[in-house]
Amino acid sequence: NAGVTQTPKFQVLKTGQSMTLQCAQDMNHEYMSWYRQDPGMGLRLIHYSVGAGITDQGEVPNGYNVSRSTTEDFPLRLLSAAPSQTSVYFCASSYSGGAGNTIYFGEGSWLTVV
Amino acid sequence: TQLLEQSPQFLSIQEGENLTVYCNSSSVFSSLQWYRQEPGEGPVLLVTVVTGGEVKKLKRLTFQFGDARKDSSLHITAAQPGDTGLYLCAGPSGGSYIPTFGRGTSLIVHP
Repeated sequence: NAGVTQTPKFQVLKTGQSMTLQCAQDMNHEYMSWYRQDPGMGLRLIHYSVGAGITDQGEVPNGYNVSRSTTEDFPLRLLSAAPSQTSVYFCASSYSGGAGNTIYFGEGSWLTVV
Repeated sequence: TQLLEQSPQFLSIQEGENLTVYCNSSSVFSSLQWYRQEPGEGPVLLVTVVTGGEVKKLKRLTFQFGDARKDSSLHITAAQPGDTGLYLCAGPSGGSYIPTFGRGTSLIVHP
């Protein structure tokens, strides 16, 4: 099973460039989310979606945009990259909300903005 | 935002030692989860605790949920190098189950 697939694995951007991190899951999960992970900061929620056509902001949404046109895909767009967006990005999915719900993570995307 | 504070932030021990890491909050959680993250990979769920006072065991790992459902602990007996990783606790935030994570405890077990 593929699970949660993120691309690209590594990316270097120049300040001001835009790009899209792709995320796809093949488990028919309704819930999908994007986190960023910085040293000593744990995982911080950027945006999330509870179903196709429904998205909402998390803790650190500024500079990022998302859409959810299908159940499977949840791309994260960086509108104008800044060095502060250098981080590791994780996409995650789960079947639904509620206690005991397992969250599955992708392997991460390492982004450097110079 | 319901905050989860984890301690210690770093832990470096020898193989065979026991250790406990903590996850604390001032808020009540309906459930808490523990994840382990190895270098270069995404977090993987270890356990979910949902009942106050609950104790769950996973081989050498023992997880406990506080009676008041505000805290949790993870105890590892006879740690092994394979236990090395970042241990994260997470709990639901808001109406939907989109979890908030603690900052994690980075564990290194030396052979």
